[in-house]
Amino acid sequence: DAKTTQPPSMDCAEGRAANLPCNHSTISGNEYVYWYRQIHSQGPQYIIHGLKNNETNEMASLIITEDRKSSTLILPHATLRDTAVYYCIVRVAGGQAGTALIFGKGTTLSVSS
Amino acid sequence: GAVVSQHPSRVICKSGTSVKIECRSLDFQATTMFWYRQFPKQSLMLMATSNEGSKATYEQGVEKDKFLINHASLTLSTLTVTSAHPEDSSFYICSARVPANYGYTFGSGTRLTVV
Repeated sequence: DAKTTQPPSMDCAEGRAANLPCNHSTISGNEYVYWYRQIHSQGPQYIIHGLKNNETNEMASLIITEDRKSSTLILPHATLRDTAVYYCIVRVAGGQAGTALIFGKGTTLSVSS
Repeated sequence: GAVVSQHPSRVICKSGTSVKIECRSLDFQATTMFWYRQFPKQSLMLMATSNEGSKATYEQGVEKDKFLINHASLTLSTLTVTSAHPEDSSFYICSARVPANYGYTFGSGTRLTVV
């Protein structure tokens, strides 16, 4: 799986958009970008994933650059409950059968009122 | 959606005793489950991969005799921390791959404190 680089921390005001960047310059053509988040003392939660087109769901939007070397997770209207560690993970869709997700250090997003 | 139920959520045990953590897939069959450990302010570290009906595969540096993993059915995997010591105090999380969409779902975690 390709390596990812994320800023260690970010701050966001409640109600504003939170834009979390991720660099994955060595991504391969068949690798997807996945985003998970972990709220304190809970298990990770799936947010969104994409290959090359921008994706949107009820939680967030994922913007992937045309060269696919970086992406941005967008929480359009951040709330206090969005305070969490956000992980960007790159891997082949489904991965190799029986392989686990490997987590980097992620970005700690702090949303304040 | 696919749910993995993990119990207990919190446990305190005395040094030298054993603790069992259970993870159940509620609405899907989990051929493979993964166990992670997370120390404060650190990321999740993969401990082992358990496959139904076979021996678990442990990551380098994880003592298989200390962290016993059983995956006897397609819906249940257990992690037993044997002869626990204070340094085993950590947040333990299980995960399973969801066959329907190749995604991964996670348990809510178990906070183990060894005193």
